[in-house]
Amino acid sequence: EDQVTQSPEALRLQEGESSSLNCSYTVSGLRGLFWYRQDPGKGPEFLFTLYSAGEEKEKERLKATLTKKESFLHITAPKPEDSATYLCAVQAMTGNQFYFGTGTSLTVIP
Amino acid sequence: ETGVTQSPTHLIKTRGQQVTLRCSSQSGHNTVSWYQQALGQGPQFIFQYYREEENGRGNFPPRFSGLQFPNYSSELNVNALELDDSALYLCASSPGAPGQGNGYTFGSGTRLTVV
Repeated sequence: EDQVTQSPEALRLQEGESSSLNCSYTVSGLRGLFWYRQDPGKGPEFLFTLYSAGEEKEKERLKATLTKKESFLHITAPKPEDSATYLCAVQAMTGNQFYFGTGTSLTVIP
Repeated sequence: ETGVTQSPTHLIKTRGQQVTLRCSSQSGHNTVSWYQQALGQGPQFIFQYYREEENGRGNFPPRFSGLQFPNYSSELNVNALELDDSALYLCASSPGAPGQGNGYTFGSGTRLTVV
């Protein structure tokens, strides 16, 4: 069964305290793995797409990596404005279906 | 770029009624997908359209149906509403064909409450 599991569910960090969010996935043929950021009351905001194991992408304080079973979103020296829910999603080869995780709620304390 | 626009922003319907939600894709985007997001959960994929044809469908019953128009705007129709249909409905659009791995731009959603 295709599925996505994110951990932890919630994470509180001090400003400047680096950490990583995990996304484990099972999919019958990976077309792409997506990371999104979602602020309360808004739609998800696209961050990265990863296609194959070993791929890495960076944007400001965020870096996403991908293996055959999981992806990590590394946050370096976070700031309070990085507080949001981070969602991971995979798109399956079969049927172009998308599967989202339930997200990690990140709070960065000044 | 004007982004993805959804209407209405909020809606209250009675169980058994039908509802139509609308989405205007970002300029130049010809792929659109719809999602249902319950409170505290990740979005659940409903279906996707590319050039006016359904291109993928999640595990939702046939009473969830959709359309994509020549200008790439889209509608989500839900018949025979149930209380569990209460959720945030999100529309997202992407340039190019599905499967090219382009990121999707999401709208802010329509909050549907079924009473």
